[in-house]
Amino acid sequence: GQSLEQPSEVTAVEGAIVQINCTYQTSGFYGLSWYQQHDGGAPTFLSYNALDGLEETGRFSSFLSRSDSYGYLLLQELQMKDSASYFCAVDRMDSNYQLIWGAGTKLIIKP
Amino acid sequence: NAGVMQNPRHLVRRRGQEARLRCSPMKGHSHVYWYRQLPEEGLKFMVYLQKENIIDESGMPKERFSAEFPKEGPSILRIQQVVRGDSAAYFCASSPDSSTYYEQYFGPGTRLTVT
Repeated sequence: GQSLEQPSEVTAVEGAIVQINCTYQTSGFYGLSWYQQHDGGAPTFLSYNALDGLEETGRFSSFLSRSDSYGYLLLQELQMKDSASYFCAVDRMDSNYQLIWGAGTKLIIKP
Repeated sequence: NAGVMQNPRHLVRRRGQEARLRCSPMKGHSHVYWYRQLPEEGLKFMVYLQKENIIDESGMPKERFSAEFPKEGPSILRIQQVVRGDSAAYFCASSPDSSTYYEQYFGPGTRLTVT
């Protein structure tokens, strides 16, 4: 079967750093995407990792370890506006062109 | 440069009625995905379409649900004889081609409420 595991909720303080983990078990793997969704809003694409290592985009970074079937999203200098749900999604680059989605992690930021 | 457009944003239907949800992908995008999301839950894939073709409908219930993406016009997700359990947010996403389907652009969603 296909499964992705993320913590359901993470709490952090404004200005701090937080890491949201994602472990996956899928038949086939090509890359890992991350999406952000604010309450009542639409998911927006954040990053994609196909190779091992860290990809940095401003305050957000995403990491992948293919050997460990594991990735994480790192958010630095947290701001209140970062309060949202974060989803990881696996790209298997199969003929169905379908992403396999995690259930999402709700990030709560306290002042 | 318009993004993905969905309408209506909110839709209220009584049990037994039909719901028709529309999605116009980003300009230049020919791949459309429909997802359903219940409150406090993740996205559930429903169907993936290209122009005039359904590529994968494995996530869509076999009965009452159908989708199309005609050569001209928006993609339509149609739910016949709605039931209360159909109440959810329905999101449409698009990507330019199959090689970049990991980066999907989402519309604002249609919130369907069945009374």
